Amino acid sequence: ILNVEQSPQSLHVQEGDSTNFTCSFPSSNFYALHWYRWETAKSPEALFVMTLNGDEKKKGRISATLNTKEGYSYLYIKGSQPEDSATYLCAFTRGSQGNLIFGKGTKLSVKP
Amino acid sequence: DAMVIQNPRYQVTQFGKPVTLSCSQTLNHNVMYWYQQKSSQAPKLLFHYYDKDFNNEADTPDNFQSRRPNTSFCFLDIRSPGLGDAAMYLCATSRVSVGATTAFFGQGTRLTVV
Repeated sequence: ILNVEQSPQSLHVQEGDSTNFTCSFPSSNFYALHWYRWETAKSPEALFVMTLNGDEKKKGRISATLNTKEGYSYLYIKGSQPEDSATYLCAFTRGSQGNLIFGKGTKLSVKP
Repeated sequence: DAMVIQNPRYQVTQFGKPVTLSCSQTLNHNVMYWYQQKSSQAPKLLFHYYDKDFNNEADTPDNFQSRRPNTSFCFLDIRSPGLGDAAMYLCATSRVSVGATTAFFGQGTRLTVV
């Protein structure tokens, strides 16, 4: 059984705070790790896809790291803004067909 | 412009009455997926099409069927919806090639069964 675990389940921060979430996944037969941001009433939006151990990706104030040997990824948001409020999903794939196996997500609320 | 479009956004159906959800894409991607997300749960893959080849997940109930008449469209048919089938249904597409690819999602259809 494959399980992708995300923590925390929800997070409330003040505008300007930096924050981070964790995604853990099975390290065997790993192919890629994906992060998505899902705002209410919108489509899940891809943030990052990472494949190599030690990968680090950055998009503006958001960055992610990957450790495939121990099976975890961190997502960091620096200086959170209200528009960062969303559910952040991570997903793991075992092959190039991209069958995403999701975690339950971390719901972030950023208060002005 | 939306590249993966799901209709309708909200669907209310009666217990046991067949219902069809639709998904269309303008990306010309070769793979289309259907995911089910129940409240507070992780999105779960029901099945996917790789071109015309249908791939069912082992634990997807027989009550769920899918059709892909052409590259652009994919349908999810629920033959006899039960109360437990109330969920958000997400359609996604990707282009399988060398290396990891990103999936593009629609906004989802929220299904209510009454």
